[in-house]
Amino acid sequence: AQTVTQSQPEMSVQEAETVTLSCTYDTSESNYYLFWYKQPPSRQMILVIRQEAYKQQNATENRFSVNFQKAAKSFSLKISDSQLGDTAMYFCAFTTEPGGADGLTFGKGTHLIIQP
Amino acid sequence: SAVISQKPSRDICQRGTSLTIQCQVDSQVTMMFWYRQQPGQSLTLIATANQGSEATYESGFVIDKFPISRPNLTFSTLTVSNMSPEDSSIYLCSGTGGVNTEAFFGQGTRLTVV
Repeated sequence: AQTVTQSQPEMSVQEAETVTLSCTYDTSESNYYLFWYKQPPSRQMILVIRQEAYKQQNATENRFSVNFQKAAKSFSLKISDSQLGDTAMYFCAFTTEPGGADGLTFGKGTHLIIQP
Repeated sequence: SAVISQKPSRDICQRGTSLTIQCQVDSQVTMMFWYRQQPGQSLTLIATANQGSEATYESGFVIDKFPISRPNLTFSTLTVSNMSPEDSSIYLCSGTGGVNTEAFFGQGTRLTVV
């Protein structure tokens, strides 16, 4: 069974700073898909970024980028120039099927607080 | 991506009763899922809602407690049966359109059982 571990229950940074959220996972599969989801107080899960394991290039979406280390089974999220609206729970998620056809396995989440 | 309308957004229920949560997608989707998010916890997959057939449940979840329907490719319901305070959670439905699409979520239902 796959597991996803987020070791930082909570992080707090000042606005405009850069913050990195960590995620490790365990799987015996060679191909899989990793995601970071954001859940603000509204409870709406919002996809932040995705990474396919077969792609060596790290994914980037505007201020969000990942550091994907396949051998280490590590998938960290970097948020640059953090904004107050980035305050939310962030979940790392994993699936072995393209399109998430087998559902997603989530980590416990990191509560990120951006201070003004 | 598609949009899921989930209702109710919240409810307070008496123990021993049942609540049915509905999710309507604005377009056809290949897969639909139901997750539970207990207070301060992560999301746990309850089951995959299969169109026209019985849902596929994850370990620890059973059909008698969480009956699921999916009559077509845009609609699904989850019923939480014979509720106890331990069922107090957020329940979220999710959909995916298939290969190279990402999962998207409804707004969640915050259930409190008293």
